[in-house]
Amino acid sequence: DQQVKQNSPSLSVQEGRISILNCDYTNSMFDYFLWYKKYPAEGPTFLISISSIKDKNEDGRFTVFLNKSAKHLSLHIVPSQPGDSAVYFCAAALNTGFQKLVFGTGTRLLVSP
Amino acid sequence: DVKVTQSSRYLVKRTGEKVFLECVQDMDHENMFWYRQDPGLGLRLIYFSYDVKMKEKGDIPEGYSVSREKKERFSLILESASTNQTSMYLCASSPPGGRDEQFFGPGTRLTVL
Repeated sequence: DQQVKQNSPSLSVQEGRISILNCDYTNSMFDYFLWYKKYPAEGPTFLISISSIKDKNEDGRFTVFLNKSAKHLSLHIVPSQPGDSAVYFCAAALNTGFQKLVFGTGTRLLVSP
Repeated sequence: DVKVTQSSRYLVKRTGEKVFLECVQDMDHENMFWYRQDPGLGLRLIYFSYDVKMKEKGDIPEGYSVSREKKERFSLILESASTNQTSMYLCASSPPGGRDEQFFGPGTRLTVL
């Protein structure tokens, strides 16, 4: 039972355009969400996070949007760069006082020059 | 700089062998995690530990055990390796509390023949 879903396995975007990666979740008790980026042969690295009390968080070219009623979050990358090509995982956490993350299946982003 | 290291990048073992995967972090983090990453399934939590000698089962603990004798070291043990344990294994650590990112190691690609 996949509680966190990324329905698009891959996404191709041209350099300079916007990349939008989507993530849906089923458990309404999740209250903290994170995005990680993973390059081949490397471990995932943290990108950006958002608490359920917010609907938007921005960090440079990266913005995460949270729609709690739809149980949906998205990551916007503007402008996209070839170095952004990687697999992106969304993750969700419960407010249990302990950070046990539930990860999505990942979306492979390819940004072409 | 934050660092999580894993003992091997690539490992090939035979069915039935006992396999040890080692993870060391230098950040004095209380929490440590073991995940496996498989195509189409994302990252799935095997075991985690929030203190020395403490361990908790994750979502897929069957066929695995763990050991945490020192704060900086978290070992994953495959008691009797099977072909369905061929995967990428990722170790992570995080400070105490629930709102900090997890830091990942580079991963160990394990192949069981």
